[in-house]
Amino acid sequence: KAGVTQTPRYLIKTRGQQVTLSCSPISGHRSVSWYQQTPGQGLQFLFEYFSETQRNKGNFPGRFSGRQFSNSRSEMNVSTLELGDSALYLCASSEWVSQETQYFGPGTRLLVL
Amino acid sequence: GQQLNQSPQSMFIQEGEDVSMNCTSSSIFNTWLWYKQEPGEGPVLLIALYKAGELTSNGRLTAQFGITRKDSFLNISASIPSDVGIYFCAGNPNTGNQFYFGTGTSLTVIP
Repeated sequence: KAGVTQTPRYLIKTRGQQVTLSCSPISGHRSVSWYQQTPGQGLQFLFEYFSETQRNKGNFPGRFSGRQFSNSRSEMNVSTLELGDSALYLCASSEWVSQETQYFGPGTRLLVL
Repeated sequence: GQQLNQSPQSMFIQEGEDVSMNCTSSSIFNTWLWYKQEPGEGPVLLIALYKAGELTSNGRLTAQFGITRKDSFLNISASIPSDVGIYFCAGNPNTGNQFYFGTGTSLTVIP
């Protein structure tokens, strides 16, 4: 099976812009979780989707949002970008519930100038 | 939220040496996962543990789910240069749909 894919791999934006990142889970996986990784904060949980519904949400402002499509692909959106949003954004998929083993994609490196 | 303490923060070892790192939580976890991350890439799953006391090996890697269910250990035997990377533990308390991650152990292997 192909692994988790994320597009784009790299992105440069300026403050105030918005960005949309995409994640395609492993075939057959229905749960997709998103994480933000920064050197100072480590891996921080953003949210988790299952069957097009957000089941869990981390402690991030409302500028961070996501959605999941019927084919389990997921997108996350960040509006009104701030310099502090520069990070590696990772998505992870699992078969049914996110308590199971999670498999990560390569990430999208976002730089906000 | 849950706190995972991972130690040591970094390790510098000679090739061929064994490595041990551990992760402790403030509460009981039902699942422990160990990942390795290399620069510019996402974490790659090494070992998954689902039962207290479980000991699982993957080649030169061995991980254990602590009896108290509040800790886990990862050992790497006979380290080689390609073991270099950051190792993360992750745990799920089964009270929600979320994994919590340790802060990582940075491993450097000196040839």
